[in-house]
Amino acid sequence: EDQVTQSPEALRLQEGESSSLNCSYTVSGLRGLFWYRQDPGKGPEFLFTLYSAGEEKEKERLKATLTKKESFLHITAPKPEDSATYLCAVPSNRDDKIIFGKGTRLHILP
Amino acid sequence: EPEVTQTPSHQVTQMGQEVILRCVPISNHLYFYWYRQILGQKVEFLVSFYNNEISEKSEIFDDQFSVERPDGSNFTLKIRSTKLEDSAMYFCATRDRGLGDTQYFGPGTRLTVL
Repeated sequence: EDQVTQSPEALRLQEGESSSLNCSYTVSGLRGLFWYRQDPGKGPEFLFTLYSAGEEKEKERLKATLTKKESFLHITAPKPEDSATYLCAVPSNRDDKIIFGKGTRLHILP
Repeated sequence: EPEVTQTPSHQVTQMGQEVILRCVPISNHLYFYWYRQILGQKVEFLVSFYNNEISEKSEIFDDQFSVERPDGSNFTLKIRSTKLEDSAMYFCATRDRGLGDTQYFGPGTRLTVL
């Protein structure tokens, strides 16, 4: 069964304290991996798509990387405005849908 | 930048009433989806729609749910007889072409069933 697992569930960091969020997946024939940001009461906001192992993408303080079994979202010198839930998702191998993880709730303290 | 829009942002209804949630997809996108998120839980797939017909649906998407694209622009989700457990955020998403291409989400409609 296709599955996406994210860790940790929640993370509290001081402003400027870098860290990484993990997303592991079990889906054969990966056709992409997505990272989204979700603020409370809002829809998922697209951040990155990664397609192949070794690929990296960056946007401001965020960098996403992909291996054959997992992806990392690295956050460098975060600011309080980076506080949000970060969602990882993969397309299903069988159906036209994407499968989400539960997300990591990131809280950056000023 | 093109974006997906949804109306209303919040809908309150009585149990047993019908509701229609509306979405305006990104204009050149061909594939449309509805997802829902119960408070504190993960985003769950409901249905996918392409070429004016349903291509996939989840077990959540029972006979009480229907989708249509009535005028070539709006994409709607109808719940015929709402239940308390239908209370959730409902998100419309759209994508452009091949499998694996990014899905872009709207801001959501918060449905509250009393």
